Parts: sequence; structure tokens; C-alpha cells
Amino acid sequence: GIQVEQSPPDLILQEGANSTLRCNFSDSVNNLQWFHQNPWGQLINLFYIPSGTKQNGRLSATTVATERYSLLYISSSQTTDSGVYFCAAVDYGQNFVFGPGTRLSVLP
Amino acid sequence: KAGVTQTPRYLIKTRGQQVTLSCSPISGHRSVSWYQQTPGQGLQFLFEYFSETQRNKGNFPGRFSGRQFSNSRSEMNVSTLELGDSALYLCASSLVGANEQFFGPGTRLTVL
Repeated sequence: GIQVEQSPPDLILQEGANSTLRCNFSDSVNNLQWFHQNPWGQLINLFYIPSGTKQNGRLSATTVATERYSLLYISSSQTTDSGVYFCAAVDYGQNFVFGPGTRLSVLP
Repeated sequence: KAGVTQTPRYLIKTRGQQVTLSCSPISGHRSVSWYQQTPGQGLQFLFEYFSETQRNKGNFPGRFSGRQFSNSRSEMNVSTLELGDSALYLCASSLVGANEQFFGPGTRLTVL
């Protein structure tokens, strides 16, 4: 099956700073999603983005399927952005494979 | 539209017991997937059900099983619980398996 890697594993930012999180996958994928896991464990959908670029407020994402990576951009970070960010890819066997996550801490 | 619901939210069991977790998908969604999240192993796929049939299965022992009902609600069962089964169990629903998945709040299982 596919392998999904995320970098960096940990990120500490000052409030207001911008950041880029990266997700690499080892093979062609059918689908890719970004999630934010809140402190209570709930996975919140950020983007469903098998290819191309999407924006939602201060967040945007780009997936370059041919080069097997996706990027999540967070601008003007806020303390409420803290948590763990996961990307998950669906291979053609239709299994969802999660990356190990990036733990983001935004300091006031 | 109501989101994915999971019951119970918290559960404490002892080794050797069995447990059943329930998941109700978003109305109209026919695919339900289950995941286990632990600090050491991260988020791992357990299995996926679509139209009452298991379509995919992750690399977990036979003690982990599931089923789906005609109304798309799903249950997962873990028999002969071990300490290592302590985890957050997450359920996700989608229209079909490879489409956008939406997650429930999870069931936190503690095995003593």
C-alpha cells in the first residue's frame, strides 16, 4: 500500500505567523484530504483536494498529484489553530492511509 | 444535516471482556469506515462497509469485527480485549468509499 509522510512533525509559531505543512505520498492516489484534530479528538475536515488548489479563509491547500505531494498553508495563525494536522490519501484499493501528523502550537 | 454520531463516547473495560461500538453515518451516506488511533501507531484503518458488505479490511487480528445494517448504521466489536486495545476509535462516513470522509467524535476505550 501507499506510504504517507508529513513534515515537519512539530511546529511552534507565534500568533500572526504563516506556515506551510507538507504531505508526501508514495504512489498515485484517488483522493487526498486534510484534517485538523482538536484537543477532544474530533477530526475536522479542512480540504478534500485530490488535485489543484483550494482556499478557505486563512487556509489554503495545493495538491500536485503528478509529483505526489500536497501542501497546507496557514496564514496569520491564531491560537485556535493549534492541534494536530493530518493528511490522508486514498489508494486505488480505496483504503484511507493517514500520515503521522504535524503537531502545531501557536503561541499568543 | 446531522453529522456522524458514535456511541458510547467513553468506555472502560477489563482484559478479556468484549465491547461493541456503534456508528450512525450522515443521512444518505452508505460507506462507513472504522479507524483506531493510538499514540504509538497513529491512525490506522480497521475496515470499511458499504451496503452491508465489508469491502476493505486493515491489518488487524480477527478479534476485531464489524457489521453494517440496512440503514447504514455500523457496529464494531472487539472480543477478548487486551491492554493494547486502549485507543480512540473513530468512525467515518462517505457517499462511497473513496469520496470525502466525515468523522464522528470517536469512542475512547480504556482497557484495564
